[in-house]
Amino acid sequence: EPEVTQTPSHQVTQMGQEVILRCVPISNHLYFYWYRQILGQKVEFLVSFYNNEISEKSEIFDDQFSVERPDGSNFTLKIRSTKLEDSAMYFCASRPRQGENTIYFGEGSWLTVV
Amino acid sequence: AQSVTQPDIHITVSEGASLELRCNYSYGATPYLFWYVQSPGQGLQLLLKYFSGDTLVQGIKGFEAEFKRSQSSFNLRKPSVHWSDAAEYFCALSGGYNKLIFGAGTRLAVHP
Repeated sequence: EPEVTQTPSHQVTQMGQEVILRCVPISNHLYFYWYRQILGQKVEFLVSFYNNEISEKSEIFDDQFSVERPDGSNFTLKIRSTKLEDSAMYFCASRPRQGENTIYFGEGSWLTVV
Repeated sequence: AQSVTQPDIHITVSEGASLELRCNYSYGATPYLFWYVQSPGQGLQLLLKYFSGDTLVQGIKGFEAEFKRSQSSFNLRKPSVHWSDAAEYFCALSGGYNKLIFGAGTRLAVHP
């Protein structure tokens, strides 16, 4: 069964460093998302991406964050200058097409900022 | 405002017992509703979903959920819990084609 894959599974970075989290959505899906889950808290929406542009973003998704689909298969989340409070599990997700409302999640990338 | 409430933070049941996890939502129309399960250190796996039609939906792993519009609820049930069901369960809604809004989750522990 096709699945969303994410790399790395776990990354430790120093505060102030840039981090790129990578995702390969399910082939032929058109809508892409990033969510995050701070330890012990609920899963929060960060950003949605469609047709090579951001379609919606949350208040969390400030100027420190950016997303990109550089080559038609990968979907990346970049955090420019990490803060301690960016430590979380980051989930990539994708959805097939308009009219199909199920969102499929990857296994997540644990980011620890020290 | 759109929101999802899972009143029970932590539930413990005995293996073989029945299970019901509560989910209430707030939304101006009929939302699309989902239950996801997250095992420790793992991603989010879709258990089941409700879009329209029959209000009792069946999912994977023997789970089912019932949509009750009058109560704004979408409770998850399983007649007989297995030890492998121990995980965190998230109810979520979508108002359309975009983001999911998650509840805080219910952590399920299963006693042998």
